[in-house]
Amino acid sequence: GQSLEQPSEVTAVEGAIVQINCTYQTSGFYGLSWYQQHDGGAPTFLSYNGLDGLEETGRFSSFLSRSDSYGYLLLQELQMKDSASYFCAVRDHNYGQNFVFGPGTRLSVLP
Amino acid sequence: DGGITQSPKYLFRKEGQNVTLSCEQNLNHDAMYWYRQDPGQGLRLIYYSQIVNDFQKGDIAEGYSVSREKKESFPLTVTSAQKNPTAFYLCASSPRDTAPEAFFGQGTRLTVV
Repeated sequence: GQSLEQPSEVTAVEGAIVQINCTYQTSGFYGLSWYQQHDGGAPTFLSYNGLDGLEETGRFSSFLSRSDSYGYLLLQELQMKDSASYFCAVRDHNYGQNFVFGPGTRLSVLP
Repeated sequence: DGGITQSPKYLFRKEGQNVTLSCEQNLNHDAMYWYRQDPGQGLRLIYYSQIVNDFQKGDIAEGYSVSREKKESFPLTVTSAQKNPTAFYLCASSPRDTAPEAFFGQGTRLTVV
């Protein structure tokens, strides 16, 4: 089987830096993706890590350590509009190569 | 503009009715997916299709049915056998079954009245 774990909630203030962790257990790991979802909206793709290391896209960065089955999403210079839910997801060879999503982390950015 | 279109945005169903949710994409993607999302929860896979005229059950397929007669269309029918259908339904597509990114439609919120 497969499972992903994320913190359920994170709170931070504008301008701060926040890290959202994701641990996964799957024998068919294919890469770690991150999605953002505002209330009532559709998830939108943020980043992908297929190899170990850090990927940077503007204010957002994502990290993967395959040996530790662990990754994180780093959000810098937080803005109010970053308040949303963030999901990690893996492609799993043993799951028809489909995405398995984590339970999501709700980020609240305070003024 | 390319993208995924789901309709309707809101849908109300009476007990015992079947309803069909539409999902159309013009991205020329091979793979399409249906997910269910309950309040405060993650996404659970209902059905997926990696190629036209083929589809597979996901984790929670009971009470749902799909078809994939055209590459761009992947409608989901919520049947009367689905006992708790009130949820947010999301359709997604991906260029291929190994691509790292899924593109989502805006979702359909289904409520049983």
